[in-house]
Amino acid sequence: QKEVEQNSGPLSVPEGAIASLNCTYSDRVSQSFFWYRQYSGKSPELIMSIYSNGDKEDGRFTAQLNKASQYVSLLIRDSQPSDSATYLCAVSLAAGGGNKLTFGTGTQLKVEL
Amino acid sequence: DTEVTQTPKHLVMGMTNKKSLKCEQHMGHRAMYWYKQKAKKPPELMFVYSYEKLSINESVPSRFSPECPNSSLLNLHLHALQPEDSALYLCASSYTDRGNEQYFGPGTRLTVT
Repeated sequence: QKEVEQNSGPLSVPEGAIASLNCTYSDRVSQSFFWYRQYSGKSPELIMSIYSNGDKEDGRFTAQLNKASQYVSLLIRDSQPSDSATYLCAVSLAAGGGNKLTFGTGTQLKVEL
Repeated sequence: DTEVTQTPKHLVMGMTNKKSLKCEQHMGHRAMYWYKQKAKKPPELMFVYSYEKLSINESVPSRFSPECPNSSLLNLHLHALQPEDSALYLCASSYTDRGNEQYFGPGTRLTVT
């Protein structure tokens, strides 16, 4: 069983719509959760971090965490073509420290005009 | 400022060469990381340094040798690499090694011929 799972996509949404990206994780003691955006040929860029249950909003982005369901999601409102990228979910597993991030395989998002 | 710098941006080396990748951050972060990323795959953790000491080695072959000369610098020494080692090598840093956000540098695109 994969530790962090994401739908690989591509997820296609029209410009201006809400894009919803989902991620599940297997380790119940995971404590830190991150969303990275990666454009083709570039490095991952941190866009959201979330540590406690509930929602966290930053501009057009909202991260949602449900530890009971082992589920974390990212909503992108008013999607723009510039949001087209691969979105990586990352989980910091409580494995004796070391801040070891485990990444999902990423969801490719395409925002269409 | 969340900038991590890496040099060189691109590197082509033969299997008998010795080269080094460099990473620098001036954010006062005390944890630094090396990741390897192959095309269309998520980053894979290689090494973690915490307070200038190696804390995690993900069973990386000895042809990769990390070094942390001080809290701002991280090197990755390469020797006798194989063509399958061709990848994007990413450096990241975080405030500590306890679940904090990791910020990635732009990466070094390595090609082994």
